Amino acid sequence: QKEVEQNSGPLSVPEGAIASLNCTYSDRGSQSFFWYRQYSGKSPELIMFIYSNGDKEDGRFTAQLNKASQYVSLLIRDSQPSDSATYLCAVAGGGSQGNLIFGKGTKLSVKP
Amino acid sequence: DAGVTQSPTHLIKTRGQQVTLRCSPISGHKSVSWYQQVLGQGPQFIFQYYEKEERGRGNFPDRFSARQFPNYSSELNVNALLLGDSALYLCASSLEWGSDTQYFGPGTRLTVL
Repeated sequence: QKEVEQNSGPLSVPEGAIASLNCTYSDRGSQSFFWYRQYSGKSPELIMFIYSNGDKEDGRFTAQLNKASQYVSLLIRDSQPSDSATYLCAVAGGGSQGNLIFGKGTKLSVKP
Repeated sequence: DAGVTQSPTHLIKTRGQQVTLRCSPISGHKSVSWYQQVLGQGPQFIFQYYEKEERGRGNFPDRFSARQFPNYSSELNVNALLLGDSALYLCASSLEWGSDTQYFGPGTRLTVL
């Protein structure tokens, strides 16, 4: 059973701080890794994807991947109240599988 | 360009009824995937279609079926509805089949009474 694990939170950080969200996955054959943001009552919105070991930066967001440790993380710098949402980690199955396997999500609250 | 569209946005059904949900992918995208998200959980994979063929199926009963049309739009059908089918049904669009980036539509909120 392929699994993706996330700390459900809530994670509370003050405005302007760095929020660190973590995710582990069970399938070593996984090829692609995604972070989605989901506001309450809305659908998931893609914010980052990463395929290779190391860091990938996009604005205030940095995704980090360590395939040896089967670990993905998302850092949000200069956190804003508008970043308050549930962050979903998703992993694409390796080989011929195109479906995404999601964690349960981490709820982030950024306090003004 | 328009994103992924889904209809209807909300739906209320009673147990035992049947429901059809519709999805139109982003223009130029050939693959559509369906996911079910219950409250407090991440989305669960139901089906993936590419070029009108089923390319993947999640662990859902045969009451769930889907199809993709020549224009790449898709329908998800659920028969003999159960209370536990109440969820947000999400359609995701991707350019190709495989480990490609998927973009979600707004979802259809299904309530089964």
